Amino acid sequence: EAGVTQFPSHSVIEKGQTVTLRCDPISGHDNLYWYRRVMGKEIKFLLHFVKESKQDESGMPNNRFLAERTGGTYSTLKVQPAELEDSGVYFCASSQEILGAGYSYEQYFGPGTRLTVT
Amino acid sequence: DAKTTQPPSMDCAEGRAANLPCNHSTISGNEYVYWYRQIHSQGPQYIIHGLKNNETNEMASLIITEDRKSSTLILPHATLRDTAVYYCIADFYNQGGKLIFGQGTELSVKP
Repeated sequence: EAGVTQFPSHSVIEKGQTVTLRCDPISGHDNLYWYRRVMGKEIKFLLHFVKESKQDESGMPNNRFLAERTGGTYSTLKVQPAELEDSGVYFCASSQEILGAGYSYEQYFGPGTRLTVT
Repeated sequence: DAKTTQPPSMDCAEGRAANLPCNHSTISGNEYVYWYRQIHSQGPQYIIHGLKNNETNEMASLIITEDRKSSTLILPHATLRDTAVYYCIADFYNQGGKLIFGQGTELSVKP
């Protein structure tokens, strides 16, 4: 079974440009999460999809970040325009839905996309 | 939030047991304790979780104190591949299913 995949693995862009990160969750996982780690900081939650709906986007830093999940399958995270402080590693994770709880504690993470804004 | 406190770093000799402590004195009565780890250049990986009883799986053992204010993750025979940052998380369902990562403990397993 394929794990969570993320594309690209690395991206280097200039300040002001746009970047789109993609995440393909494990097939059948309704829950999809985005996290990020900026240099020297802890891994921080960005948002949570249940199928195609945004369940929680409390961690999105500002309106330069836009996440979508088309048809409840893959997800994209667009940063427009990118700023220097957006540099970091962006992780995607997915999990099954547990009846009665809604989500599983076991989240499967992708390898991350390293974003560098210069 | 149920905050967790972990030592920033630990060393362990290969083949020996690695005991990683975590303090979670404000944990809610219904919350489990979860452990994840992140090996360099990979995404975090789930290890184990528990409520109040000791738990064991193929990766590790988890010992939770009776008052649930602290726990210890045990890797019984650490290998070089266990070198990673280990995260103790004590606030999950009450956070709506999102993982709240702290600084974690950087474990270095040495030959």
